[in-house]
Amino acid sequence: QLVLTQSPSASASLGASVKLTCTLSSGHSSYAIAWHQQQPEKGPRYLMKVNSDGSHSKGDGIPDRFSGSSSGGERYLTISSLQSEDEADYYCQTWGTGIQVFGGGTKLSVL
Amino acid sequence: QVQLQESGPGLVKPSETLSLTCTVSGGSISSYYWSWIRQPPGKGLEWIGYIYYSGSSNYNPSLKSRVTISVDRSKNQFSLKLSSVTAADTAVYYCARLGSCSGGRCYAYYMDVWGKGTTVTVSS
Repeated sequence: QLVLTQSPSASASLGASVKLTCTLSSGHSSYAIAWHQQQPEKGPRYLMKVNSDGSHSKGDGIPDRFSGSSSGGERYLTISSLQSEDEADYYCQTWGTGIQVFGGGTKLSVL
Repeated sequence: QVQLQESGPGLVKPSETLSLTCTVSGGSISSYYWSWIRQPPGKGLEWIGYIYYSGSSNYNPSLKSRVTISVDRSKNQFSLKLSSVTAADTAVYYCARLGSCSGGRCYAYYMDVWGKGTTVTVSS
């Protein structure tokens, strides 16, 4: 079964960097995923697609501070030079034949 | 720039059918896949289903028996119907475009454009 696992919460200081993790279920380590950001009281926004080889392609207007990478069945979202507006929920999402799957989301607090 | 706007009743009675429409502006509904996603209060995102502009669709197995997604290319719209609703269907409902295209063909991969969402409450 295709499942994505995310830590419920993360925190980092203003100006620092943070790396969020999304783990693919066993047998699905070759899958690409997408990262979405949801700021408080707003709808989600597409950030980027991350492939199994670590390459990534960002959505329009996404700052260079956001980057993606991969290792085995883990997909990462790194945010550098954290700003207050980065405080948000971050969801990973993937797809299979006829299905779409979301991770449970990580709530990022910027201290 | 493509924009999506959800519309429909904000209040639905239990056991009735929830109906929402997503209007696509700034671009054509053709060539792409289009999706519905919902978010119960205080919870994460749940995929409901998607439809190809030609009309073929796929649904979340947990909702499949109650969901119908349709497309109206003449109006550049696609719609969601969820039958026999209960309080558990109370959520913000989002529509989105599945925007991965290559070589003139599009795939049902990831949501690259999202609507702002509409709140639907199920209550008598």
